[in-house]
Parts: sequence; structure tokens; C-alpha cells
Amino acid sequence: GAVVSQHPSRVICKSGTSVKIECRSLDFQATTMFWYRQFPKQSLMLMATSNEGSKATYEQGVEKDKFLINHASLTLSTLTVTSAHPEDSSFYICSASARDRSTDTQYFGPGTRLTVL
Amino acid sequence: GNSVTQMEGPVTLSEEAFLTINCTYTATGYPSLFWYVQYPGEGLQLLLKATKADDKGSNKGFEATYRKETTSFHLEKGSVQVSDSAVYFCALSANTGRRALTFGSGTRLQVQP
Repeated sequence: GAVVSQHPSRVICKSGTSVKIECRSLDFQATTMFWYRQFPKQSLMLMATSNEGSKATYEQGVEKDKFLINHASLTLSTLTVTSAHPEDSSFYICSASARDRSTDTQYFGPGTRLTVL
Repeated sequence: GNSVTQMEGPVTLSEEAFLTINCTYTATGYPSLFWYVQYPGEGLQLLLKATKADDKGSNKGFEATYRKETTSFHLEKGSVQVSDSAVYFCALSANTGRRALTFGSGTRLQVQP
């Protein structure tokens, strides 16, 4: 149990376009979902935290207008990178904490590699 | 704020060697502590966790003990295998508020046959 999926796994887009990444909890309801960004050979940096039905909380330095997060249901959160530029190329990872399990354990999706040309 | 410090890698070991990856943390209150593993080309997987002082997390032969007096959560395994080659992340989660994870920089382990 506690499976989190992400779609797509890889995406290549042109500069200036927008890309949507989906994160789904497949077998549990997620109280909270988190979005991280991982640069090559570096650690994960938290971008934002989202709770179902409320606005996301962004970390300092993360542009909320550029990285739009929607948490429409207890099993789905989306991250939209708007007007993407090459510097947005990265590995984006979501995680979810389960509503009916220990809320201090996060389950991670497999990640989405974004390449902006 | 919260922070996690891990030993830098890569760590290169021969099969069946003993592994220790050091992790220390700074946090207010009593955080939960985690080790996550990232195998090549895959996402992060929870390896083990401990939620209070003196707790020992264990899984797949790996162990780590929550030491509040030294603010440490070192990862150990008595005999590593080639299949253990991966990047290991130490992380903490505050037990209040958003419970977001704060990660260490990760330690790459390479086990040679």
C-alpha cells in the first residue's frame, strides 16, 4: 500500500510553454501533498505544501505564479510550471502523507524529469 | 530552522563490508527522523524511521537509532550487498505544523563485488 504515482515521468517542452505534472495517491487519501525539486546530484528542496481544498503554502524563493499548485481532491495534486524556461529544467517529485496513517511519513512519487529547450 | 547534515560521498565499499553513514540534525522540539533511499533511476523509498528518542528503526538489514543527546541518526548495515548501491538521504520532520521533510544532501553508496 501507500503508492504514489506521477504523470508524466518525462516531459520535454519548448521555452515559454506550460507543463502540468500530476501526482496521485493510488490507494490512500492524502491529507497533505508536498512538491520537491531535485537538482542533479543534490538533495530535494521543498517547493510547496498543499492541502486538499486550500491554497498551497510556498517556500521562500518559490514563485507561486510560476509554479501553480492545485489540490483538487484527497488523491490528486497538480503542479503547473507556467512559461517554462531552461532554468526550470529539473526533477520534480511529489509526496503525500496518508490521512489514516502516521502523518509524519511521506510516500514519494517516482518523479518527473522536465527538460525545457 | 531545521537542518540535516550527512557525511559526503561517495562511499565505496566491498561487498560484505560494514556500512556507517553519519547523520546529525538540528531541530526545535522532537522531530521524527527518517532514512530514504533512491536507487538509480527510481524515486525515493522510505527505508526506516524513528519517531522518538532511543527508538531504533530497522529494515532490510539497515538500522539507525534516534540519539537525542548527540542529535544523531546514523545509518548502519553489517554486511552490504551490491544491490545496496544507491543514494541515501537522512531527513527529519517536525512533529508540528506542516510536517514537511528537511533533507540532508544525500550520500551515494557504491558497493563493489
